[in-house]
Amino acid sequence: QKEVEQNSGPLSVPEGAIASLNCTYSDRVSQSFFWYRQYSGKSPELIMSIYSNGDKEDGRFTAQLNKASQYVSLLIRDSQPSDSATYLCAVGSARQLTFGSGTQLTVLP
Amino acid sequence: EPEVTQTPSHQVTQMGQEVILRCVPISNHLYFYWYRQILGQKVEFLVSFYNNEISEKSEIFDDQFSVERPDGSNFTLKIRSTKLEDSAMYFCASSREGLEAGTPYNEQFFGPGTRLTVL
Repeated sequence: QKEVEQNSGPLSVPEGAIASLNCTYSDRVSQSFFWYRQYSGKSPELIMSIYSNGDKEDGRFTAQLNKASQYVSLLIRDSQPSDSATYLCAVGSARQLTFGSGTQLTVLP
Repeated sequence: EPEVTQTPSHQVTQMGQEVILRCVPISNHLYFYWYRQILGQKVEFLVSFYNNEISEKSEIFDDQFSVERPDGSNFTLKIRSTKLEDSAMYFCASSREGLEAGTPYNEQFFGPGTRLTVL
């Protein structure tokens, strides 16, 4: 059974701060890792993908992957109230994408 | 920017009825997927479809479910005899390549979803 675990939250940060979201996964052969953002009542929106160990930066977002520790994280710098949403970690293996339960982030003005 | 579209946005049906949910994937994508999300729960994989056949399916995707690409643009999910527990948001997604690719071409883009309510 493939599992993806996220820190349950909710997580609150003040505007302008760094938000840190974490995810662990159980399937060692996983190759593809994704972060999605989901606003209430909406569909998942892809933020970033990462495939190799290390950091990947895209604007205010940085994804980090450590395959040895089976750990993925997402940092959001200069958090804005519009970043308030549920962040979903998704791990791809064996032709399936497995989602975590999400971390609800609130950015306080 | 190309998007995945889904119709209808909301479907209400009686238990035991058949429903068909429709999706138009992004035009140059070859891999298509259905997911569901029961209110307050995780997004769950149902099925993936490539080259006119199912490439992977989950335990949820039993004989009551079927998928079809009836023409060059649409991708459908049929639930033959709906149950109360089928009430959920159903998301269609598409990607250029499959998850095995291990490259950004396997990024999956989601449609806005169909909210299915079974009474």
